[in-house]
Amino acid sequence: KAGVTQTPRYLIKTRGQQVTLSCSPISGHRSVSWYQQTPGQGLQFLFEYFSETQRNKGNFPGRFSGRQFSNSRSEMNVSTLELGDSALYLCASSPSGMGGTDTQYFGPGTRLTVL
Amino acid sequence: GESVGLHLPTLSVQEGDNSIINCAYSNSASDYFIWYKQESGKGPQFIIDIRSNMDKRQGKRVTVLLNKTVKHLSLQIAATQPGDSAVYFCADLGGSSNTGKLIFGQGTTLQVKP
Repeated sequence: KAGVTQTPRYLIKTRGQQVTLSCSPISGHRSVSWYQQTPGQGLQFLFEYFSETQRNKGNFPGRFSGRQFSNSRSEMNVSTLELGDSALYLCASSPSGMGGTDTQYFGPGTRLTVL
Repeated sequence: GESVGLHLPTLSVQEGDNSIINCAYSNSASDYFIWYKQESGKGPQFIIDIRSNMDKRQGKRVTVLLNKTVKHLSLQIAATQPGDSAVYFCADLGGSSNTGKLIFGQGTTLQVKP
């Protein structure tokens, strides 16, 4: 099976712009989670989608949003970019996302740099 | 709040030695734990997992130990190789109602000396 894919791999944006990142999960996986990774804060959970619905959400401002399509592919959007949004954005997929049962598999990430 | 922590930010070992990476968690409801390996420029790669009804699980050259009494888990790597050099994270999926949210520790960088 193909792994989790993320596009683009690298992005450079300026403050105030918006950005959309894409994630294609492993075939058959219906849960997609997004994480932000920075040297200072480590890996932090953004949100999780299942069957086109956001089921869980981390502590990020409303500028961070996402959606999931019927084929389980997911996108996340960051509006009004700030310098502090520079990070590696990781997507992970699992069959159901249920706590206690599912392993999450990660994509290679999208490296976002905000200038 | 919930947290997952690692005891050492960096661990340096000689090639061929065994490595032990430790992790502590705070959520008593946590019932599923995963160890990931992250190499430079890549996403976290699944190594091994363990559920709370177990106290030990073995894979190829890796063993995870879980001590629920003191909320501690460890990853043991046998005969450490240069290719094992990476950052290792423990992650906690919390209770069954916590869908899709892994809580990660800060990571331990494993350096393997030839």
